Amino acid sequence: NAGVTQTPKFQVLKTGQSMTLQCAQDMNHEYMSWYRQDPGMGLRLIHYSVGAGITDQGEVPNGYNVSRSTTEDFPLRLLSAAPSQTSVYFCASSYGTGGQPQHFGDGTRLSIL
Amino acid sequence: RKEVEQDPGPFNVPEGATVAFNCTYSNSASQSFFWYRQDCRKEPKLLMSVYSSGNEDGRFTAQLNRASQYISLLIRDSKLSDSATYLCVVNKNTGRRALTFGSGTRLQVQP
Repeated sequence: NAGVTQTPKFQVLKTGQSMTLQCAQDMNHEYMSWYRQDPGMGLRLIHYSVGAGITDQGEVPNGYNVSRSTTEDFPLRLLSAAPSQTSVYFCASSYGTGGQPQHFGDGTRLSIL
Repeated sequence: RKEVEQDPGPFNVPEGATVAFNCTYSNSASQSFFWYRQDCRKEPKLLMSVYSSGNEDGRFTAQLNRASQYISLLIRDSKLSDSATYLCVVNKNTGRRALTFGSGTRLQVQP
């Protein structure tokens, strides 16, 4: 039972590069979300989705894009990486439309040089 | 004012001690409340939901005070394995459908 799977676990990028963080869940959850976690800041919501074909911005969406073509997958794209995007990224999913407890992937540690 | 505020700690307690964390939230319309646990360099994991009447799960007790807009977590008979960061989580219930996470309270249980 995989739950929420994130890849890669670690990544180093140069400023200006683009990349996609992958997230997949096998629990048939409607709701999926991306957070970033920085020291002393807690988890901050980047983007979320309440179902296939539906996405919306969180509190820190700038510099990131998402799409939700299937229920299972919710990739996060960094368009042009900046050092300020160095962080730990977590993908999460849940039943319902956002008020239910979420299951987290084990994170992607991203460094932008 | 932050939407969810927690004392960052750290709380250093001996094994067997009872420790309590409080968390305040700003949105009076919030309906769902949770405590998550996060170990160092790991993902957050749901510890327990918080219900209006209060609820208990083994050594853990959660309370909700809607009038004062705070929730609490009480840990009895602390174990070394309880050392972690405890995140207070509240749903927004307005506009953006999402959970808001506090920055966490760090607990260190010492032998």
